[in-house]
Amino acid sequence: EIVLTQSPGSLSLSPGERASLSCRASQSLSSRFLAWYQQKPGQAPRLLVYGGSSRATGIPDRFSGSGSGTDFTLTISRLEPEDFAVYYCQQYATSWTFGQGTKVEIK
Amino acid sequence: EVQLVQSGAEVKKPGATVKISCKVSGYSFIDYNIHWVQQAPGKGLEWMGLVKPEDGRPIVADKFQGRVTITADTSTDTAYMELRSLRSEDTAVYFCSVTGVMSGTDAFDVWGQGTMVTVSS
Repeated sequence: EIVLTQSPGSLSLSPGERASLSCRASQSLSSRFLAWYQQKPGQAPRLLVYGGSSRATGIPDRFSGSGSGTDFTLTISRLEPEDFAVYYCQQYATSWTFGQGTKVEIK
Repeated sequence: EVQLVQSGAEVKKPGATVKISCKVSGYSFIDYNIHWVQQAPGKGLEWMGLVKPEDGRPIVADKFQGRVTITADTSTDTAYMELRSLRSEDTAVYFCSVTGVMSGTDAFDVWGQGTMVTVSS
């Protein structure tokens, strides 16, 4: 099983700041099989990025995914108030597994 | 518009069985796999399994083998997840999701709203 480890566990930032969220895989995987999701309290997760760097339909371009091998990053270039949420990475190269999540909080 | 609408919240006693439905609309049901994900209170997301509506074939994660049955009814465009021998640790929100319908990949494109299952004596 591919284990995904996200860091940090939480991040305190102000609106307008840049957020960088890390996702490390226990073994190398193609970025084609890496996705990122956003989840707000009481809501279902929402797909942000698939294939490592492709934004899902309707996702603003302040969200970007990058990385390769075992290290992947979700970057939010300028945080908007609605971006404060929990973010999960997911791999779908071998079955499906999620990271434990990173909470982005308002500072 | 692609939509997945799940059945309502359930309260069950330990040892009971729960069956949750996920009715889809806005795309061809048989062409894309439906997955189920568990989220315990305050915890992360755990993949439970999937069903291929085209042939009804399920794939269940090791952790849930023997307790979970995932099915698809092509006459009503509805997927089901049944969880047996419920215990307190099964208290969670359960989500269905469809892959590939928008991204063309195995990422979880669209999600249902979630169904809360509470297991309590």
